[in-house]
Amino acid sequence: EVQLVESGGGLVQPGGSLRLSCAASGFTFSSYEMNWVRQAPGKGLEWVSYISSSGSTIYYADSVKGRFTISRDNAKNSLYLQMNSLRAEDTAVYYCARDSYCSGGSCYPIYGMDVWGQGTTVTVSS
Amino acid sequence: EIVLTQSPGTLSLSPGERATLSCRASQSVSSSYLAWYQQKPGQAPRLLIYGASSRATGIPDRFSGSGSGTDFTLTISRLEPEDFAVYYCQQYGSSKTFGQGTKVEIK
Repeated sequence: EVQLVESGGGLVQPGGSLRLSCAASGFTFSSYEMNWVRQAPGKGLEWVSYISSSGSTIYYADSVKGRFTISRDNAKNSLYLQMNSLRAEDTAVYYCARDSYCSGGSCYPIYGMDVWGQGTTVTVSS
Repeated sequence: EIVLTQSPGTLSLSPGERATLSCRASQSVSSSYLAWYQQKPGQAPRLLIYGASSRATGIPDRFSGSGSGTDFTLTISRLEPEDFAVYYCQQYGSSKTFGQGTKVEIK
């Protein structure tokens, strides 16, 4: 079964740090680009960050640039999000989501995120 | 940055009716780069449509997508009870921004 499982969420004080993890199973993780997407309580979806299959290309939303770092360990089938200098407005459910398939140096995007985890909750509050 | 505006904010319909959801972009979006998602309370989003009009795996054919340029539409031909949810469009430009969502509720 294709699955993504996030972990690492919790309660943190403003200015603090947290590291989220996303464990992938049921597919060849190293062949897929990945994203983090978040959803504040009662709000819509907000794309946070993207990483290519090799980890060589990374993008961030302006709202987290300079504070968050996305990374991956293909040997461990895992995706990470290091979150520093956290603010109240970072409070959200954080989802990891699968993106395009890549093979032999080429990617075959469908321009949609087809597999999502169940999410992990981050609360930034004093 | 491309901004996506969805309308209406809420759509009140009865089972069996047709739902038409709109997604308008602040600048032209390649049709290949437009996706639609469904989200139910307490659940992760589910990919419905990619490339503006292609159904994702396992999505019933009552869901269809259309449009080009700056105007895109998600149509649900006959609403089933399980279709009442929030729907988001997303573009895959320089950033992968989402619209603010349309809630389809039971009338």
